[in-house]
Amino acid sequence: DADVTQTPRNRITKTGKRIMLECSQTKGHDRMYWYRQDPGLGLRLIYYSFDVKDINKGEISDGYSVSRQAQAKFSLSLESAIPNQTALYFCATSDRGASSYNEQFFGPGTRLTVL
Amino acid sequence: DAKTTQPNSMESNEEEPVHLPCNHSTISGTDYIHWYRQLPSQGPEYVIHGLTSNVNNRMASLAIAEDRKSSTLILHRATLRDAAVYYCILRDGDMRFGAGTRLTVKP
Repeated sequence: DADVTQTPRNRITKTGKRIMLECSQTKGHDRMYWYRQDPGLGLRLIYYSFDVKDINKGEISDGYSVSRQAQAKFSLSLESAIPNQTALYFCATSDRGASSYNEQFFGPGTRLTVL
Repeated sequence: DAKTTQPNSMESNEEEPVHLPCNHSTISGTDYIHWYRQLPSQGPEYVIHGLTSNVNNRMASLAIAEDRKSSTLILHRATLRDAAVYYCILRDGDMRFGAGTRLTVKP
């Protein structure tokens, strides 16, 4: 079984709809992250959480919110989806330790299309 | 933020070594150099990281210039499965991905 899972894997929605993307992990890691990837580009950090009570904005948090329901679960919400949020979304986890060198483990991604 | 510069694409023949370059002339003393790769239709996966000294692991080697302004990821024998986008990332906290180098491996 995969260590980091994301649901759904694909989603098509309409402008203005509320969307939630979910991430679960069985690695026992404290830290979880949400990234988005646009075609031909690298990943950009949306939000990250170092533990259940710690939520931090990343590079591109506008239009997104997150919830860390438990150590193993981290959800990303688009309150009112817009077409330029069409992208590939990745969840990642990492263990404790200095952020400078600890490895991040990525999920398989969710492809979101906003019409 | 310190940035990295990588070629957009490279080609290699199967079973030959591949040297993927990365320039990071504004690197700070506390930045670690990380490499991740993204296989088609998958999330990125960790390859290797280093600070000052060259590093080897089962996947690759990382050669870091003495002045740390550049580094090279070395795949000793490329396989078809190594075809991916390779990202060179400087980390002092957050991971900031660039566009990476798309490696094509020819049979």
